[in-house]
Order: sequence, then C-alpha cells, then structure tokens
Amino acid sequence: AQTVTQSQPEMSVQEAETVTLSCTYDTSENNYYLFWYKQPPSRQMILVIRQEAYKQQNATENRFSVNFQKAAKSFSLKISDSQLGDTAMYFCAFMKVDSWGKLQFGAGTQVVVTP
Amino acid sequence: EAGVAQSPRYKIIEKRQSVAFWCNPISGHATLYWYQQILGQGPKLLIQFQNNGVVDDSQLPKDRFSAERLKGVDSTLKIQPAKLEDSAVYLCASSLNVGVGNQPQHFGDGTRLSIL
Repeated sequence: AQTVTQSQPEMSVQEAETVTLSCTYDTSENNYYLFWYKQPPSRQMILVIRQEAYKQQNATENRFSVNFQKAAKSFSLKISDSQLGDTAMYFCAFMKVDSWGKLQFGAGTQVVVTP
Repeated sequence: EAGVAQSPRYKIIEKRQSVAFWCNPISGHATLYWYQQILGQGPKLLIQFQNNGVVDDSQLPKDRFSAERLKGVDSTLKIQPAKLEDSAVYLCASSLNVGVGNQPQHFGDGTRLSIL
C-alpha cells in the first residue's frame, strides 16, 4: 500500500516571498503520478501541478514548481512570489498508473500568506 | 464548461438518521468519484464509478453507506443510519476517462455533514 506524508501542518509566508512544502511517499511502484492540489475555504479541490514519475524534468506551472526526487521518494512544492489568494490547504497526492485513477492524499499543509 | 455540481452544501442530522447527497459530474465525464474528508485529513476515496458500473468500493462502509449512478450521469451517496464518526465533507469528483493519469479529476464544492 502507498502512503503519502506531509510533515508540515502549517506554513506562513509573506506576500511576494517563497515557500516550500514537503511531501514524501512510500511505494514499490516504478510508474506513477504525483499531484499537488489546493483547497481554499470554498472547499473545492483545485489541481495545481502534476508530475509523471518517468519524467526527470521537474514540472512548472507559472509560480508553482516541484522538486521531484524519485530515489528519495520526495515531491516538494515551491510557491514563488506568494499572493494572498494562495492561502489554502495544499494536498500532495499519489496515483499508481494502473489504479483506475485512484488518488491517495496526504494530510495536507495549511499555507497562510500574510500582507 | 459547468463544473461538478453537488447538493446540499450543508447538512445537519442526528445520529441514526439517514442522509443523501447528490452529484452531477461534468458533461461527458465517464468516471465519478466520491471522497470522504474528515476534518484535518486528506480526502479518502469511498467509491468510484466508470459510467454506471462500480470500479472500486473497497473503502466504502457497506453496512451503512450506499451509492448509485443510474444512467451513468448523476450519482447519489446515502448514509443510513448515520454515526457520529460520519461527520465530514463529502466530495464528488469526475474525470473524462478512468485510469489515465493525465486526465485530471475535477472536484465539486462538497457537502459538509454534521452529525449531532
């Protein structure tokens, strides 16, 4: 079974600064996908970024980028130039390639962006 | 494109009562998921449908939870009877095709259930 661990319950960052969220996972699979989802107070889960395990290049989406270390089973998210709208819970999620799309989520990290 | 619609947004019931949640996925999405998100935790998959067939219900407490997706579109999740530990947000999600990792899951706003 796969487990996803997010060890930081809460992170605070000032506007325009950078914050990095950590995520580690445990799996014996070689092919899989990793995701970061954002959940604002409205509760809707929004996909932030996605990484295929077979790709060595780290994914980037505007101000969001990941540091994927496959051997270390680590998948951190960096938010650059933080904005007040980035305040939300951030969840790391794992999906096996042959799992029929089943996502396994970590416990989440609350990010608070302050003026 | 319209997103995943869920109702109600909030529900308060007493333990041992029954409750039902409704989900309308994005048009054309074959796969539908129900998640349970307990306060302070990440979402946990309860059941997954591909069209109107069940793909995975391994974590659904079948003695009290049931779900159906008639005609492969809308879905209903029911709890009967409810227990205090069922207090959670119930999220519905849909995706275009099952098992394809590059098909993102689109989530609804969820239903917050409180059991008194």
